[in-house]
Amino acid sequence: KQEVTQIPAALSVPEGENLVLNCSFTDSAIYNLQWFRQDPGKGLTSLLLIQSSQREQTSGRLNASLDKSSGRSTLYIAASQPGDSATYLCAVPTSGTYKYIFGTGTRLKVLA
Amino acid sequence: KAGVTQTPRYLIKTRGQQVTLSCSPISGHRSVSWYQQTPGQGLQFLFEYFSETQRNKGNFPGRFSGRQFSNSRSEMNVSTLELGDSALYLCASSLSGSDSSGANVLTFGAGSRLTVL
Repeated sequence: KQEVTQIPAALSVPEGENLVLNCSFTDSAIYNLQWFRQDPGKGLTSLLLIQSSQREQTSGRLNASLDKSSGRSTLYIAASQPGDSATYLCAVPTSGTYKYIFGTGTRLKVLA
Repeated sequence: KAGVTQTPRYLIKTRGQQVTLSCSPISGHRSVSWYQQTPGQGLQFLFEYFSETQRNKGNFPGRFSGRQFSNSRSEMNVSTLELGDSALYLCASSLSGSDSSGANVLTFGAGSRLTVL
């Protein structure tokens, strides 16, 4: 059974810091991993998708890496800004199904 | 390109009533999945549809049901509402759902917030 864990649960940093969010999963038989952000009371916004054949993906100040063998992914945010404040969620598909399992998220607050 | 549209955005019901939520996917997307989000349980998978067929169902009671129409629009229905059904219901669309290429990005709507009194 796939389980997804995100550490830390919450993080507060001053503006300008580089930070790393972690995502761990128990079943390495995945074909992608997706990172999302969610603003309070809103839907999820897709940030990055990493296919199993890739080791990392970049979009602007965001870089996500994937290590299937160790069951880990990291989301690196460079030069954080107050607008980055949100909850960040990772999700992996369950093998053989069309169902995604989500982590419980990391609530990020960037202080101006 | 229009995003995923969910209606209604907010609704209040009382216990025992039923509710129907609607989701219009991005044009060309044929897979629609539904998730329930609560503070205690996080995001939990309800079901996924592709070409009017339910391909997967999550661990929810039979009071939760859904369907997909030929234009890929989807509805979900919850009957005999309970207090614990209060949640944000999120719909996501993708080209074809998860597949071996791993290239299908999930695009979510803004959600329908249901409050059961």
